[in-house]
Amino acid sequence: EDQVTQSPEALRLQEGESSSLNCSYTVSGLRGLFWYRQDPGKGPEFLFTLYSAGEEKEKERLKATLTKKESFLHITAPKPEDSATYLCAVQAFQGGSEKLVFGKGTKLTVNP
Amino acid sequence: DGGITQSPKYLFRKEGQNVTLSCEQNLNHDAMYWYRQDPGQGLRLIYYSQIVNDFQKGDIAEGYSVSREKKESFPLTVTSAQKNPTAFYLCASSVRGQGQEQYFGPGTRLTVT
Repeated sequence: EDQVTQSPEALRLQEGESSSLNCSYTVSGLRGLFWYRQDPGKGPEFLFTLYSAGEEKEKERLKATLTKKESFLHITAPKPEDSATYLCAVQAFQGGSEKLVFGKGTKLTVNP
Repeated sequence: DGGITQSPKYLFRKEGQNVTLSCEQNLNHDAMYWYRQDPGQGLRLIYYSQIVNDFQKGDIAEGYSVSREKKESFPLTVTSAQKNPTAFYLCASSVRGQGQEQYFGPGTRLTVT
């Protein structure tokens, strides 16, 4: 069964304190791994797509990396506005169609 | 601006009533999706549609129904058969095909009492 596990469930950082969020997955034939940011009461906002091991993508203070079994979202010198829940999803082929399987997310809080 | 709209943002209904949630997109995407989000759980797929006039059940379709008469629209009806309908509902769309990211609407919070 295709699964996505994110850790930690919650993370508190001080402003400027860099850290990483983890997304481990088991899927038969990875077609894409996606990172989203979700603010409270809003829809997820697309951040990155990674397709193959070794791939990296960056956007401002965020950098996503991918291995054969997991992905990391590195946050460098975070600011309070980076506080949000970060969701990871993998694309799986199920029932004849492409579907996204989501993790439960990591809630990040950055204190000033 | 291109995007996905969902209305209303908040919806309140009495138990036993059917309710329809709206989802419209102007991204020219063929594929559209409905998810449900509950506290402490990942997004769960309710229904999806790869093309007009065709849709498939997701992982938790019981108690829900959809239609896809237009490319831009994918309304979701929460029926009285859904045992626990109170949740945050999210609509998404994407280009068809492998490895395509989905873009989400702002969501509708449904409360049934």
